Amino acid sequence: DIQMTQSPSYVSASVGDRVTITCRASQGLSTWLAWYQQKPGKAPKLLIYSASRLRSGVPSRFSGSGSGTDFTLTISSLQPDDFAIYYCQQSHSFPALTFGGGTKVEIK
Amino acid sequence: EVQLVESGGSLVQPGRSLRLSCAASGFSIADHAMHWVRQVPGKGLEWVSGITWNGDSTGYADSVKGRFTVSRDNGKNSLYLQMNSLRVEDTALYYCARDINGYKYFGMDVWGLGTTVTVSS
Repeated sequence: DIQMTQSPSYVSASVGDRVTITCRASQGLSTWLAWYQQKPGKAPKLLIYSASRLRSGVPSRFSGSGSGTDFTLTISSLQPDDFAIYYCQQSHSFPALTFGGGTKVEIK
Repeated sequence: EVQLVESGGSLVQPGRSLRLSCAASGFSIADHAMHWVRQVPGKGLEWVSGITWNGDSTGYADSVKGRFTVSRDNGKNSLYLQMNSLRVEDTALYYCARDINGYKYFGMDVWGLGTTVTVSS
């Protein structure tokens, strides 16, 4: 099974900060990786798929990069609406997939 | 409006069965792979199961393999999850989600509000 490790598990940042979240896979994924944002009491929202493709309607301050085992989600200038939990998800192991453990972005 | 509505969650005793349903509206599920994802309150997301657009390929998390079965009825625009031999650790909010692709999984772009399953004696 492919294990997904996110780091950090928690980040405290201010509005306007650049925030980078890392996701590491236990084996190569090519670019079969997606990123989600989840706010309290809400369903997750897809941000990025295929490691770097921004979903339509998602602000351009969000970007994804990486391939193989190491991936990053970057928020170029953190906005008040961005405080949430972020999850990576691999689908290389089709027809199975796994989520990372999540990274909570909180206001400093 | 594109929407997914889950139903069927309830309180059930360990060892019993439950069937979840997910009704789609505003789009045809025949164009999409579909998934079940669960979440214990305050915890992370756990993918449970997925199924390709035509049902010819299904996948399961190790934690539910052999106990849960995913199915779909494209004619009824609905997704199902048959849950047998339920355990206390299956207690969670269960989400239905649509994949942006019909076969290989790319990402889940539409989610329901979830239905709660509680397994307890």
